[in-house]
Amino acid sequence: AQSVTQLDSHVSVSEGTPVLLRCNYSSSYSPSLFWYVQHPNKGLQLLLKYTSAATLVKGINGFEAEFKKSETSFHLTKPSAHMSDAAEYFCVVRFSSGSARQLTFGSGTQLTVLP
Amino acid sequence: ETGVTQSPTHLIKTRGQQVTLRCSSQSGHNTVSWYQQALGQGPQFIFQYYREEENGRGNFPPRFSGLQFPNYSSELNVNALELDDSALYLCASSLGTADEKLFFGSGTQLSVL
Repeated sequence: AQSVTQLDSHVSVSEGTPVLLRCNYSSSYSPSLFWYVQHPNKGLQLLLKYTSAATLVKGINGFEAEFKKSETSFHLTKPSAHMSDAAEYFCVVRFSSGSARQLTFGSGTQLTVLP
Repeated sequence: ETGVTQSPTHLIKTRGQQVTLRCSSQSGHNTVSWYQQALGQGPQFIFQYYREEENGRGNFPPRFSGLQFPNYSSELNVNALELDDSALYLCASSLGTADEKLFFGSGTQLSVL
């Protein structure tokens, strides 16, 4: 069975400091992994995706994530937080249900950025 | 702006009633997926529609049903509403069933009293 665990429900950082949002996954085969961001009253937006081409994945808005198979992790990082980064972040694993590509979301990490 | 629109934005129903939620997919997208997001949780996959047929279903009972129309818009119907059905319902469209880039709408907030 495939699952994803976000290790922190809330993370608080000061503006200009690094961001680390942690995610571990469980998958019986090589997974496709994603990070999505959800701003209040807006739709979920894809930040980045891993599909086995490279272990370090760069996304939008300066975010990146590193796939570590030995640790079954896919942590999201950003060198310097901006106020606009405050949002809910979801780590997501994709698996197939018949021909449908079904996304399994983690429970989310609420990122607060302090001035 | 993703181009996926959902209506209504908010809805209040009472237990036992039926509800229909609507979704217009992004232009050119032929696949629509529906997700339920309970408060404080991540979205959960309900089902996917492709070319007007259900193309995969998550762990939801049959009282959750859907439709997709020739213009690729979609409806989610929920019968015999229960209190636990209170959630944000998200629609996502994509270019085909294998496309990994989903475009999400802002959702419909359903409250069941």
